[in-house]
Amino acid sequence: GDSVTQMEGPVTLSEEAFLTINCTYTATGYPSLFWYVQYPGEGLQLLLKATKADDKGSNKGFEATYRKETTSFHLEKGSVQVSDSAVYFCALHDRGSTLGRLYFGRGTQLTVWP
Amino acid sequence: DSGVTQTPKHLITATGQRVTLRCSPRSGDLSVYWYQQSLDQGLQFLIQYYNGEERAKGNILERFSAQQFPDLHSELNLSSLELGDSALYFCASSLAGASQETQYFGPGTRLLVL
Repeated sequence: GDSVTQMEGPVTLSEEAFLTINCTYTATGYPSLFWYVQYPGEGLQLLLKATKADDKGSNKGFEATYRKETTSFHLEKGSVQVSDSAVYFCALHDRGSTLGRLYFGRGTQLTVWP
Repeated sequence: DSGVTQTPKHLITATGQRVTLRCSPRSGDLSVYWYQQSLDQGLQFLIQYYNGEERAKGNILERFSAQQFPDLHSELNLSSLELGDSALYFCASSLAGASQETQYFGPGTRLLVL
């Protein structure tokens, strides 16, 4: 079945540090991949997405590349800010399915200190 | 602001009771999804509706039910509540429910069962 595995948190970084949050997936079809972010007390917001192999999604300095050969979609940012502190979720849609549901990873808590 | 609204924001009730959570999708979106977020299970898909019809079921208990009305708003009914039903319940919407579409999430309803 479809599933997403992302690195366990929490991740604690100093401001301007480099961030990587690993995400790997298993899909029976050909998935679209997403990163969502949840700020404290809020709902999930789409951060970026990629719909085919080798696509790079980017937004707000975050990037992730769809790697079919390694079934991965790792999230990176070159210089994190205190305002990036949040929980990050990797998710997939299986495009081989007629259903539109998302499969989520368990989330990674990021805390950035000034 | 995603354009998806959910009411109420918070709900406190007792075991054995029944509650109704309401969701209004983004203007023009036909597909509505319900997710449950809890500490032990993470983000779990419950159910999907498309244009008033049930399209997919996930890990939804028999005590839970949902519907989507002609004006496309949706309600999630939770009955015979148990302590373990305490969680954050999210509604999301997308245009047609296709797998590559972005799902837009509401702010959630936090349910506490005492």
